[in-house]
Amino acid sequence: AQSVSQHNHHVILSEAASLELGCNYSYGGTVNLFWYVQYPGQHLQLLLKYFSGDPLVKGIKGFEAEFIKSKFSFNLRKPSVQWSDTAEYFCAVTVSGGYNKLIFGAGTRLAVHP
Amino acid sequence: GAVVSQHPSRVICKSGTSVKIECRSLDFQATTMFWYRQFPKQSLMLMATSNEGSKATYEQGVEKDKFLINHASLTLSTLTVTSAHPEDSSFYICSASPRLGDVTQYFGAGTRLSVL
Repeated sequence: AQSVSQHNHHVILSEAASLELGCNYSYGGTVNLFWYVQYPGQHLQLLLKYFSGDPLVKGIKGFEAEFIKSKFSFNLRKPSVQWSDTAEYFCAVTVSGGYNKLIFGAGTRLAVHP
Repeated sequence: GAVVSQHPSRVICKSGTSVKIECRSLDFQATTMFWYRQFPKQSLMLMATSNEGSKATYEQGVEKDKFLINHASLTLSTLTVTSAHPEDSSFYICSASPRLGDVTQYFGAGTRLSVL
């Protein structure tokens, strides 16, 4: 069965530090990849997505992610985090023929300290 | 664009009663809507996929008689938790995909259900 693995469950950073959150998926076919963010008390918001083309995807709020097909990975990065980036981050995948079904990773809780 | 509204945001009910949660796509038509359940400090678990005008597809382990899903129009899907029990207390979230082939899902704000 398809699955999504997020390696870091909790990450604590200081402001201005660089961020990289890992995401790996298990599926050998065509995938669509997403990163969603859930700020405290708010709904899930789309950060960025990859369908095809340039494997380096830029999203909102300075986030980017790189799709590395050979590694089945879609890691999220940000060069310099801010306190307002404190949130939970979810990686998700849809697979071809999966009727848009999103498979979520367990999430990574990011805390940014001033 | 791509706003999904979910109502109510919070509901408290007595055990044995039924609760209906609405999910609306406000500025787009959604052929497909999804219902998720999120347990505290855990990820979202897909409960069912709802297609307009047809029966919902439930994930393994989800009781279709307990969680009734209706997708009567391209902008509205409802989830009814029937004969709710305390173990049904959870955070329920809907999402919708735009009609024109975009697989991106846009999420509602969720409904926190507390069954006493």
